[in-house]
Amino acid sequence: TQLLEQSPQFLSIQEGENLTVYCNSSSVFSSLQWYRQEPGEGPVLLVTVVTGGEVKKLKRLTFQFGDARKDSSLHITAAQPGDTGLYLCATRDFNKFYFGSGTKLNVKP
Amino acid sequence: ETGVTQSPTHLIKTRGQQVTLRCSSQSGHNTVSWYQQALGQGPQFIFQYYREEENGRGNFPPRFSGLQFPNYSSELNVNALELDDSALYLCASRPSGTGVSGNTIYFGEGSWLTVV
Repeated sequence: TQLLEQSPQFLSIQEGENLTVYCNSSSVFSSLQWYRQEPGEGPVLLVTVVTGGEVKKLKRLTFQFGDARKDSSLHITAAQPGDTGLYLCATRDFNKFYFGSGTKLNVKP
Repeated sequence: ETGVTQSPTHLIKTRGQQVTLRCSSQSGHNTVSWYQQALGQGPQFIFQYYREEENGRGNFPPRFSGLQFPNYSSELNVNALELDDSALYLCASRPSGTGVSGNTIYFGEGSWLTVV
């Protein structure tokens, strides 16, 4: 059983479209991270959210942590081909880190 | 650039052989963890080392073992390789603690292992 469920698994959109990807769980988290991974590279940290209801913005990316700290979303406005990659959410449980299976995003020019 | 470096970047091994992968952590980070990422999947936690001792382990058999050295660098050893061990192996480092900084991990670019 996956601790973190991500949806959708795959997303293929045209440049300029908006999109939202989700990370859900039945567990409560003290914090949650979002990473982007490009082919052949390790994941790169985008943001860490800590407080329930927190919203963080990183240029065209908006991250939200659910009020109950069980879920999170990532919204991209006006997607660009450079946004293509695997988006992963992750959390820590004591000395273990858990990742979702990711959303693979392809933005076509 | 995360400051975490891994070697080798790619390698091919035969089933039954043993492999050692290496990782240098980011300066100031005393906690290192290793992950296995199969194609199309998210990283799966293998284990974590802190002060040269394993202090967290995922669902991996004992043939996956590791070491951490006094300079915080680390090794992942896999014995009796199986075809399903083919994956990207990622090393990550972080400072110790439970605050925001301790919850954020920084990855290397990984070592691609192919078992034939």
